[in-house]
Amino acid sequence: DIVMTQSPDSLAVSLGERATINCKSSQSVLYSSNNKNSLAWYQQKPGQPPKLLIYWASTRKSGVPDRFSGSGSGTDFTLTISSLQAEDVAIYYCQQYYTSSWTFGQGTKVEIK
Amino acid sequence: QVQLVQSGAEVKKPGASVKVSCKSSGYTFISYDINWVRQANGQGLEWMGWMNPNTGTTGYAQKFQGRVTMTRNTSISTAYMELNSLTSEDTAVYYCARTSWGLDYWGQGTLVTVSS
Repeated sequence: DIVMTQSPDSLAVSLGERATINCKSSQSVLYSSNNKNSLAWYQQKPGQPPKLLIYWASTRKSGVPDRFSGSGSGTDFTLTISSLQAEDVAIYYCQQYYTSSWTFGQGTKVEIK
Repeated sequence: QVQLVQSGAEVKKPGASVKVSCKSSGYTFISYDINWVRQANGQGLEWMGWMNPNTGTTGYAQKFQGRVTMTRNTSISTAYMELNSLTSEDTAVYYCARTSWGLDYWGQGTLVTVSS
């Protein structure tokens, strides 16, 4: 299975500041047929199911605020929250859907400093 | 609007089985795969497997092979996940989720508690 490793495990950011979360896969998730990376990002708040934010590594799901952006290719990916809002406090997960056996990162907890 | 509504919480004894349902609405049920993901208390997300509701084809994570079965009833747009030989390690919230590019809509979760 592809192992997804996120860093850091947690971070505290001041309101209005940038938050950056990294995700590294143990092998490339670049899908050669469409040159897209099979990588998604989710946000999970306490007591709620996860919510899809980003797919194909950088495509925002409709309705997701544009302060959320995804980047990267191959094995290294980043989720950036450009200006942290109070409602962004959550755990964020990356997930690969490149292979038939999907895997998630361990999660990164984002808090307000 | 797309909705996935799961069955209620379950308490099971070790060695028993549990069957969780996931009723879909707001879209064509057979057009999107359903995945199942679980989450133990305070832990991360663990992918369990997928099912194509049109064909019934399934794929399971190796960890659950032989112990999980995913099925569906297309007449009522409902997917099911059955897990056998339960142990305390299976205590978790179980989620169904629709597959688009990633998992774009999720059920509310079903808490399964395994306790003697």
